[in-house]
Amino acid sequence: DTEVTQTPKHLVMGMTNKKSLKCEQHMGHRAMYWYKQKAKKPPELMFVYSYEKLSINESVPSRFSPECPNSSLLNLHLHALQPEDSALYLCASSPGVWSNQPQHFGDGTRLSIL
Amino acid sequence: GNSVTQMEGPVTLSEEAFLTINCTYTATGYPSLFWYVQYPGEGLQLLLKATKADDKGSNKGFEATYRKETTSFHLEKGSVQVSDSAVYFCALRGGGSQGNLIFGKGTKLSVKP
Repeated sequence: DTEVTQTPKHLVMGMTNKKSLKCEQHMGHRAMYWYKQKAKKPPELMFVYSYEKLSINESVPSRFSPECPNSSLLNLHLHALQPEDSALYLCASSPGVWSNQPQHFGDGTRLSIL
Repeated sequence: GNSVTQMEGPVTLSEEAFLTINCTYTATGYPSLFWYVQYPGEGLQLLLKATKADDKGSNKGFEATYRKETTSFHLEKGSVQVSDSAVYFCALRGGGSQGNLIFGKGTKLSVKP
């Protein structure tokens, strides 16, 4: 059983829709991450939050808007996405951004843009 | 900068065969090393880890030893099962910017009965 929970598991949306992806962890971790994974590729880092503050934005387009309401929750707000944004979106957490400990991943949200 | 190189495969084996997936790395300082596994349609699961030189990580019959002299962290299993079919990612963390995970490209393993 994964300790990082992501909802929904699947999402189909049009290019004009607004939707949100949600991630929750109860391991007391203070760093949370969003990754994008295309088929047959490793995950690509999008955003890093440390102590609920945005720490890294890997030049992600503004149609992706992250939010960290508290230390257990991480959201990714989506608006006006493009077909090339179809991918698996993974959330992860770790004790801290500087820790050498592993990141723990959720099962992801598979996003399809029509 | 830090990087991970792993054999890309795909690797196809018969059940009960011996598995080796090679992984080498380049890093400053003393990174931690990980193997993640991704089963079809799922997220990444941590398979095993090693945090310092000569550490051996092990889990579910898989093993990997952190070899600083050869900068390697090869994944091995003595007898694979059909249920081991998945994509395996070697990764490192530490020594880089804010300890971000650096992934290899992944190796797809298919095990035939």
